[in-house]
Amino acid sequence: DAGITQSPRYKITETGRQVTLMCHQTWSHSYMFWYRQDLGHGLRLIYYSAAADITDKGEVPDGYVVSRSKTENFPLTLESATRSQTSVYFCASRRENTEAFFGQGTRLTVV
Amino acid sequence: GENVEQHPSTLSVQEGDSAVIKCTYSDSASNYFPWYKQELGKRPQLIIDIRSNVGEKKDQRIAVTLNKTAKHFSLHITETQPEDSAVYFCAASKDDKIIFGKGTRLHILP
Repeated sequence: DAGITQSPRYKITETGRQVTLMCHQTWSHSYMFWYRQDLGHGLRLIYYSAAADITDKGEVPDGYVVSRSKTENFPLTLESATRSQTSVYFCASRRENTEAFFGQGTRLTVV
Repeated sequence: GENVEQHPSTLSVQEGDSAVIKCTYSDSASNYFPWYKQELGKRPQLIIDIRSNVGEKKDQRIAVTLNKTAKHFSLHITETQPEDSAVYFCAASKDDKIIFGKGTRLHILP
């Protein structure tokens, strides 16, 4: 779905560095989400946002920071990356109580 | 908060047979239950969903059932085909966030 895009697609960073993953959607969906996908754990919710300037913690928020100054963007920042944050990260968006659409994913490796 | 349990984690079925994946949820206020399919290296995509005011929904070979009293819902795939091989996720939602189960890897055997 061209309406939601993530960047970068692949990222390698060093332990302790700050890294930001970008997510942009063109549908004006009110809700946006960040999930991480790890083998054996499925899709775990990191943070979500119901509208611009409104964000809430999900299941695994520690070590992550989000912001939503504009409806269409929802960046995810790892302030000091750790090896345990090596994962595939998916951004998603939806209207209230409807289907969520996922971005292509970002594969992040922390070395 | 909401917790979604999904079983089995791996399922192998003979091509042409049926596959059933089961999920339970904890929050009785959840009112929307989507199912996603994820092929290797791709993003999850919705295959079917059901709302809390409906007990069953069918779309060709795929059906979902919901038991609100027991707080469980199931995905049924009939006449399985090789292209059904993928990871399937159930999820539960209460107007805002969506919480996913851990996924079921479905193998279709020739």
